[in-house]
Amino acid sequence: AQSVAQPEDQVNVAEGNPLTVKCTYSVSGNPYLFWYVQYPNRGLQFLLKYITGDNLVKGSYGFEAEFNKSQTSFHLKKPSALVSDSALYFCAVRPISSGSARQLTFGSGTQLTVLP
Amino acid sequence: EAQVTQNPRYLITVTGKKLTVTCSQNMNHEYMSWYRQDPGLGLRQIYYSMNVEVTDKGDVPEGYKVSRKEKRNFPLILESPSPNQTSLYFCASSFWTGGANVLTFGAGSRLTVL
Repeated sequence: AQSVAQPEDQVNVAEGNPLTVKCTYSVSGNPYLFWYVQYPNRGLQFLLKYITGDNLVKGSYGFEAEFNKSQTSFHLKKPSALVSDSALYFCAVRPISSGSARQLTFGSGTQLTVLP
Repeated sequence: EAQVTQNPRYLITVTGKKLTVTCSQNMNHEYMSWYRQDPGLGLRQIYYSMNVEVTDKGDVPEGYKVSRKEKRNFPLILESPSPNQTSLYFCASSFWTGGANVLTFGAGSRLTVL
């Protein structure tokens, strides 16, 4: 069974500084990888996904993520954090080999706080 | 506006009183799914549906029922709610593209069972 680990429950960063939200995964075969963001009292919103090809994926709001197969990681990054980036971030994984709609696994989430 | 609409957004109920959380999408998506979000556990899938009259269990289906009689609607039914079903519930939908599909989520329904 696949799994996703987001090792940090909370990440604090100063506005203007670079931010990283970590995600590692375990899956049989190659993965589809996703990042979603949840703002207070809102549903999750899609940020970006990795399917295949270039290991650096660019997404919404200036976010990007780097797929590292050897380290089984998919860390979310942004060069310069904004206070408005403060939210709960979820990483998710699904094995490419699976046609099952069931096998999308989410991490436990990381609360990002950007301090003014 | 393309969206997934859930109702009610907030509900407090008592053990054993049947309730239904409705979910409707206006994007003609064939795939719909219900998740519950609990602190420290992330999102866990309850049930999903690949199309009308096609539903299947997710990771935590116990105590829940669903139906998919129309493409746009996917209600979540708690026949006899218990306190351990107190949670934040999300409905999501997408076109099914074989696994790389991007989910559109509703705003969530916070349920408290006393």
